[in-house]
Amino acid sequence: KAGVTQTPRYLIKTRGQQVTLSCSPISGHRSVSWYQQTPGQGLQFLFEYFSETQRNKGNFPGRFSGRQFSNSRSEMNVSTLELGDSALYLCASSSDRGLFQETQYFGPGTRLLVL
Amino acid sequence: GENVEQHPSTLSVQEGDSAVIKCTYSDSASNYFPWYKQELGKRPQLIIDIRSNVGEKKDQRIAVTLNKTAKHFSLHITETQPEDSAVYFCAAPPTTGNQFYFGTGTSLTVIP
Repeated sequence: KAGVTQTPRYLIKTRGQQVTLSCSPISGHRSVSWYQQTPGQGLQFLFEYFSETQRNKGNFPGRFSGRQFSNSRSEMNVSTLELGDSALYLCASSSDRGLFQETQYFGPGTRLLVL
Repeated sequence: GENVEQHPSTLSVQEGDSAVIKCTYSDSASNYFPWYKQELGKRPQLIIDIRSNVGEKKDQRIAVTLNKTAKHFSLHITETQPEDSAVYFCAAPPTTGNQFYFGTGTSLTVIP
């Protein structure tokens, strides 16, 4: 099976703009989680979607949002970008059993730079 | 939520030596403990995981041990090689959701 894919791989934006990142999970996986990775904060959970529903949300401001489509592809959106949003955004997919504590497989990430 | 602590933050070993990284967690109901390896500029890759019905799992030079009573689990790498140099993350998802709580990472350097 093909792995998790993310687009775009690199993005440069300016403060105040918004950005949309895309994630395609492994075929058959219905759970998609998003993480923000920064040198200072490590890997932090943003939110998780399963069957088009947000199941869990991390401790991030409302500027961070996401959605999942019927084909399990997911997007995350960040509005009103701030310099501190510069990070590597990773998505991960899990099996289609809809259970918790399932193995997560990561995509290559989107590196966002906010100027 | 789950609190995961990882030590050490950096580790340097001579090629051929062993490396041990330890993580502690807070949610006593957690049942699944994966370890990821992230090379510079690449995605985190699952290298080994363990579920709470076993105390140890091995895969060639890599092993993970779990002590549920003490709420800690460790990654053991034997006969280290330069290609083992990377950042290693432990994780512990809570029983109430699929969000992984990651340790802060250990930067392992294997010196040839």
